[in-house]
Amino acid sequence: ETGVTQSPTHLIKTRGQQVTLRCSSQSGHNTVSWYQQALGQGPQFIFQYYREEENGRGNFPPRFSGLQFPNYSSELNVNALELDDSALYLCASSSRTGFTDTQYFGPGTRLTVL
Amino acid sequence: AQKVTQAQTEISVVEKEDVTLDCVYETRDTTYYLFWYKQPPSGELVFLIRRNSFDEQNEISGRYSWNFQKSTSSFNFTITASQVVDSAVYFCALSEANTGFQKLVFGTGTRLLVSP
Repeated sequence: ETGVTQSPTHLIKTRGQQVTLRCSSQSGHNTVSWYQQALGQGPQFIFQYYREEENGRGNFPPRFSGLQFPNYSSELNVNALELDDSALYLCASSSRTGFTDTQYFGPGTRLTVL
Repeated sequence: AQKVTQAQTEISVVEKEDVTLDCVYETRDTTYYLFWYKQPPSGELVFLIRRNSFDEQNEISGRYSWNFQKSTSSFNFTITASQVVDSAVYFCALSEANTGFQKLVFGTGTRLLVSP
């Protein structure tokens, strides 16, 4: 196990609602990244947080936002949910000592939008 | 632009067979990192290996081995004497060093089914 935890495990929402997903990083890690994995696809990078600031973002609209807290845990918020937001959301933590660092993933949150 | 291609969608083998999972990548950067992750049915991505672009030495870890060839932009993964527990989806991923942040670009994955 990586020590990265995510909550909740599963979530069902309806279109238009808002959702918050949570991630606790591995001890000693200060960087958190979020990925969206649609069924049958590889994970897609949403954004990354380092020292409580977003320092990189993929091709996702502004209704995807996040936070990182002083203890390095993180939240992913999605507003105005759409059916296509149904996916597995994966959080990964790493130690930002350079660009060589390996990202360790949590178990994911499976979001279903009806 | 970065791209990772895993052309094999699904591979089925019988236990004890050897199997190779292919990965081809595209990048304009000279410094980059390649990864393999395993995703069992539980969904968690399990890190297997990281390799930087300056280290083309092949690596072996138990039944697993990796062949990195910059000339063909490939980073293939071989499982020797496969076991049922190896059944999972395997992802190859690329990370460039010049973006200012760590972003993994994944392939679409190869589903490996190992039957008894």
